[in-house]
Amino acid sequence: EIVLAQSPDTLSLSPGERATLSCRASQSITSGFLAWYQQKPGQAPRLLIYDASSRATGIPDRFSGSGSGTGFTLTISRLEPDDFAIYYCQQYHSSTVTFGGGTKVEIK
Amino acid sequence: EVQLVQSGAEVKKPGKSLKISCKASGYNFADYWIGWVRQMSGKGLEWMGIVFAGDSDARYSPSFQGQVTISADKSTNTAYLQWSNLKASDTAIYYCVRRTGSIWVFDYWGQGTLVTVSS
Repeated sequence: EIVLAQSPDTLSLSPGERATLSCRASQSITSGFLAWYQQKPGQAPRLLIYDASSRATGIPDRFSGSGSGTGFTLTISRLEPDDFAIYYCQQYHSSTVTFGGGTKVEIK
Repeated sequence: EVQLVQSGAEVKKPGKSLKISCKASGYNFADYWIGWVRQMSGKGLEWMGIVFAGDSDARYSPSFQGQVTISADKSTNTAYLQWSNLKASDTAIYYCVRRTGSIWVFDYWGQGTLVTVSS
């Protein structure tokens, strides 16, 4: 099973700032099969990014994904009030899908 | 519009059985995989397993194999998650999810069903 470690646990930033979230895999995800989701309190998660860098339908271009191998990054170029939430990475390289533990982006 | 509508919250005693549901609409149910994700209180997401609605072929995460049963009924466009012997540690929110057509990411999510297991 591929274990995903997300860092930091919490990111305290102000609206308009840039957010950089990290997801590290215990094994190389050579396929690039990594996704990112956003979850707001009391809501189901929403797919943001798939295949490491492709935005899902309707996702604004301030969200971008990058990375390869064991290191992946979600970047939010300029935080808007609606972006303060928890973000999870997910790998689908192996037959057992796994999620990271999440990074909370909170208002500073 | 694609929608996944889950059954309501449940409170059960340990040792009891339970089956929760997820009714799909807005797409051809039989053409997609539909799965379940667990979220314990204040915790992260855990993939439990998935079923292909067209032929009921089910796959499970090793962590949940033998603990739950995932099924689908294409005549009613409904997927199910069931337990035969609930434990207090099964207390969580359960989300049904639709796998995209070609890759193992989840593009639509149900609203979640809270299951509470308590004596």
